[in-house]
Amino acid sequence: EIVLTQSPATLSLSPGERATLSCRASQSVSSYLAWYQQKPGQAPRLLIYDVSNRATGIPARFSGSGSGTDFTLTISSLEPEDFAVYYCQQRSNWPRTFGQGTKVEIK
Amino acid sequence: EVQLVESGGGLVKPGGSLRLSCAASGFIFSTYSMNWVRQAPGKGLEWVSSISSSSTYIYYADSVKGRFTISRDNAKNSLYLQMNSLRAEDTAVYYCARDRIAAAFNWLDPWGQGTLVTVSS
Repeated sequence: EIVLTQSPATLSLSPGERATLSCRASQSVSSYLAWYQQKPGQAPRLLIYDVSNRATGIPARFSGSGSGTDFTLTISSLEPEDFAVYYCQQRSNWPRTFGQGTKVEIK
Repeated sequence: EVQLVESGGGLVKPGGSLRLSCAASGFIFSTYSMNWVRQAPGKGLEWVSSISSSSTYIYYADSVKGRFTISRDNAKNSLYLQMNSLRAEDTAVYYCARDRIAAAFNWLDPWGQGTLVTVSS
């Protein structure tokens, strides 16, 4: 099973600041990595797929990068609605696995 | 508009059974792989099971293999999860999610709002 480790667990930032979230895989997932956003009481939604492609309707302030085992989600300038939990997920191998999540909270 | 509506959750005793359903609309259900993902209270996301468009390929997490069965009825635009021998650790919100595109096993998009399963005596 591929283990995805996200860091940090919590990121405390102010609106307008840049957020950098990390996801590290226990083995290469090639480009089969996605990011999801989940707000309290809501279902997750797909943000970024195949490392760097924004899903439909996702603003350009969200970007993804990386390859192999190290990946990054960047939010260039935090908006109030961006404070949420973010999960990475791989589909390189079965079972599909998620990281444990990074909470982006208001400082 | 794509809609996924889960139902069938509730309170069940350890060792009991429950069948979850996911009603799909707004897309050609029979062409998409479908998935179940769960989230225990206050915890992260855990993939549970996936089924291909024609049910040819089915995958399970080790934690549910042998106890849960995923199935679909393309004529009824519905996805199911039969859960047997339930344990306390199966307590979670269960989400139904469609694959992003109509190809073999892709990303999860969109997701339903989830149905809560509580396993407790």
